[in-house]
Order: sequence, then structure tokens, then C-alpha cells
Amino acid sequence: DSGVTQTPKHLITATGQRVTLRCSPRSGDLSVYWYQQSLDQGLQFLIQYYNGEERAKGNILERFSAQQFPDLHSELNLSSLELGDSALYFCASSHRQGVAGELFFGEGSRLTVL
Amino acid sequence: AQSVTQLGSHVSVSEGALVLLRCNYSSSVPPYLFWYVQYPNQGLQLLLKYTTGATLVKGINGFEAEFKKSETSFHLTKPSAHMSDAAEYFCAVSDLYDYKLSFGAGTTVTVRA
Repeated sequence: DSGVTQTPKHLITATGQRVTLRCSPRSGDLSVYWYQQSLDQGLQFLIQYYNGEERAKGNILERFSAQQFPDLHSELNLSSLELGDSALYFCASSHRQGVAGELFFGEGSRLTVL
Repeated sequence: AQSVTQLGSHVSVSEGALVLLRCNYSSSVPPYLFWYVQYPNQGLQLLLKYTTGATLVKGINGFEAEFKKSETSFHLTKPSAHMSDAAEYFCAVSDLYDYKLSFGAGTTVTVRA
């Protein structure tokens, strides 16, 4: 158990819909990272927050947004969903702002768009 | 921008045999290098990392990796494979100034009895 909790574990929805994925980092960790894992693109970095502020942005679509709340949990919002958004979405946390330390990954939220 | 290339998407080894997973990196600054393992239906778990110092890095479960700057490589090895090593392995790179990890495409390891 990494200590990172992601909900829901599985989600099936239709094209055009909007979903919210939630992540609770390990106790005391200030950084939260979101990654997308798909068969065709592998593990892609989406976005990182540190103590409530956005620190880095990767290949995140404009239809996607995220935020980190004062209690340090984070949400990833995916809207106007397309078939190609079907993937496993991972959240990871670390204590530091950078990645020299270890990232602890949750078990992921598997999104299926029909 | 940094990137890593993992050579071989699938590796099959016999139980007790050497496991060798290859990773080459591209970075314009001194890299931080990582190996993560993903077991079925689980998240990624750190095996080992290189940031600075000793170039031979030992990790969990008997794995080790050697940073070779001249070859821009960070290959992962384990002398004797166990059935429990069947998983997907990811090499990743970052640096002192970056906030994200860039992952390779992954190598799936199967272990034959």
C-alpha cells in the first residue's frame, strides 16, 4: 500500500460526458502528480501541483483541468470525453517539490469512454 | 528535454536466469534516473534511483542498475529471476531543475518455470 488513494477505481461513461477523478496523497506529501497511461501513448505526465499551486504542466488537453485543495487532495476533471480518453489515470505524491525523491503512486482510476 | 528509450518491449527469462533490461537516456543536463515496477492491477513502485554519487545503485528485490555516462545508459539487472519478478518495468528520467518524470515505454518481463 503506497498510501495514495484514488477514487473511483473504475469508471464507465459516454462520449461528451464529464468526470472527476480524486486523489488523496500520502500523509504529509505536498506534491501531487497526474499521469495518463494508455496502450498507444504509454505513461504521459499531465500536471503537477505543490502545496496548492500548479508547478508543471505536461501533455494535458484543454478539456482536462486539475486542482489541489487546501487539505492537499487533488481532483482531475475530464470534460467533453472522447473515446481516446479511455485510459488508466494515475496520481502520485511526494514530499518534495521536485522529483529527486520517490514518487508514490496510487492504484489508478480506469476510465472507459463508450 | 529529457527522454528515455527502453530496448525491448517484452523480455522472457527462465527462473534463476539473469534479468537484463536496457534503458538509454537523452539529457542535456546531469540526469536523475529511475526504475519503477508495475505489477498487474497495481500502481508503480520505485525499484531504485540514481541522482548523484555512486554509479552502481542497488534497489529492492535484488535489482541493481549502473549509470554509465559514456554510454548514456542505465540498465537494470538481477542475477537470478524469480517468478514474482513478472511485471512491467519502466525507466524514467528527470533532472535537478525539472518537476516531472519522463517514462519509457516499458518492458514486460515474463518468467518461465
